Amino acid sequence: DSGVTQTPKHLITATGQRVTLRCSPRSGDLSVYWYQQSLDQGLQFLIQYYNGEERAKGNILERFSAQQFPDLHSELNLSSLELGDSALYFCASSVRGQGEAFFGQGTRLTVV
Amino acid sequence: AQSVTQPDIHITVSEGASLELRCNYSYGATPYLFWYVQSPGQGLQLLLKYFSGDTLVQGIKGFEAEFKRSQSSFNLRKPSVHWSDAAEYFCAVGGDTGFQKLVFGTGTRLLVSP
Repeated sequence: DSGVTQTPKHLITATGQRVTLRCSPRSGDLSVYWYQQSLDQGLQFLIQYYNGEERAKGNILERFSAQQFPDLHSELNLSSLELGDSALYFCASSVRGQGEAFFGQGTRLTVV
Repeated sequence: AQSVTQPDIHITVSEGASLELRCNYSYGATPYLFWYVQSPGQGLQLLLKYFSGDTLVQGIKGFEAEFKRSQSSFNLRKPSVHWSDAAEYFCAVGGDTGFQKLVFGTGTRLLVSP
């Protein structure tokens, strides 16, 4: 158990809908990262937050947004969902803004 | 921009045989290097990391990796593979300053034959 908690584990939703994925980092970790894992794209970095502020952005679609709250948990919002958004979404956390990151079990999103 | 290459998509090893998974990285400054393992339906578990110092690092589950700066490589090894090692292995590179994401390779799927 990495100490990073993601909910829900599985999510099935229809195209055009909006979903929210939640992540609780390890105790004491200030940085949260979101990654998308799909068969064709591999592990893609989406966005990083550190102590509530956005610090790095990857190939995150405009339909996607994230935030980190004062208690350091983070949410990834995915809207106007398309079939191609079906993937495993991982949250990871680290103590600092860089270095080793600990991953949650992921949320498997299926868009139908 | 940083990148990681894992040239082997699949590798099959007999149980009890030795294993080496290849990883080459590109990074303009001092790299932090990692190996993660992902079992089916699971998250990524950190196997080992290299930050500085001794270029041979030991990790969990009997794995080790050697950093070779001249070859930009960070290959993962295990002297004797167990059936439970079958999984996907990811090499990753990150930086040591500022706000740095980890960049992952495409992974190597390890199959263990009896």
